[in-house]
Amino acid sequence: QQQVKQSPQSLIVQKGGISIINCAYENTAFDYFPWYQQFPGKGPALLIAIRPDVSEKKEGRFTISFNKSAKQFSLHIMDSQPGDSATYFCAASSHNTGKLIFGQGTTLQVKP
Amino acid sequence: DAMVIQNPRYQVTQFGKPVTLSCSQTLNHNVMYWYQQKSSQAPKLLFHYYDKDFNNEADTPDNFQSRRPNTSFCFLDIRSPGLGDAAMYLCATGQATDNQPQHFGDGTRLSIL
Repeated sequence: QQQVKQSPQSLIVQKGGISIINCAYENTAFDYFPWYQQFPGKGPALLIAIRPDVSEKKEGRFTISFNKSAKQFSLHIMDSQPGDSATYFCAASSHNTGKLIFGQGTTLQVKP
Repeated sequence: DAMVIQNPRYQVTQFGKPVTLSCSQTLNHNVMYWYQQKSSQAPKLLFHYYDKDFNNEADTPDNFQSRRPNTSFCFLDIRSPGLGDAAMYLCATGQATDNQPQHFGDGTRLSIL
């Protein structure tokens, strides 16, 4: 019940295309859903986050879509660029513990 | 400006030789976390400090210890490193207020000879 399932494991997208990464969770106590971007040799960096009182959040080319009833959320990267090539982790936490439960990660490659 | 600083970035130690990794923060956050990340895997939480209160994860080996002498610093001690402990060790900080985001350092890559 504490798991967050992320797919796909890897993704190849052409420059200018849309990258979509999906996550699903079981624990209804989760109330905070961040996405982290990690480049090789670096720590994860917060990209964008959403709380369950909204269904969508957009920051530049990055959008989170959130479906509370389905317990799913996804990251959309519009106009994907080679510089977006990285590993992306979705995560979930509840205010009770503050602990992040990470998805398994998606390695994104954007081809020029 | 780095906000969570980990030293060293790379550490090589011998099998069984104790090693200490350090983390400092300029964010004045009250929670500090230590994660272990192996290749192509998600970070795995080892333990965290809420102020001075230490919280160990149930599956963290006894070989791993931590110290937090003050708000700004936190240390990870591996008493007798084994080959399986080779990994990236990530420190993160957060403010325990309504699910504020965690901020990660760039990690220490630990190699075991």
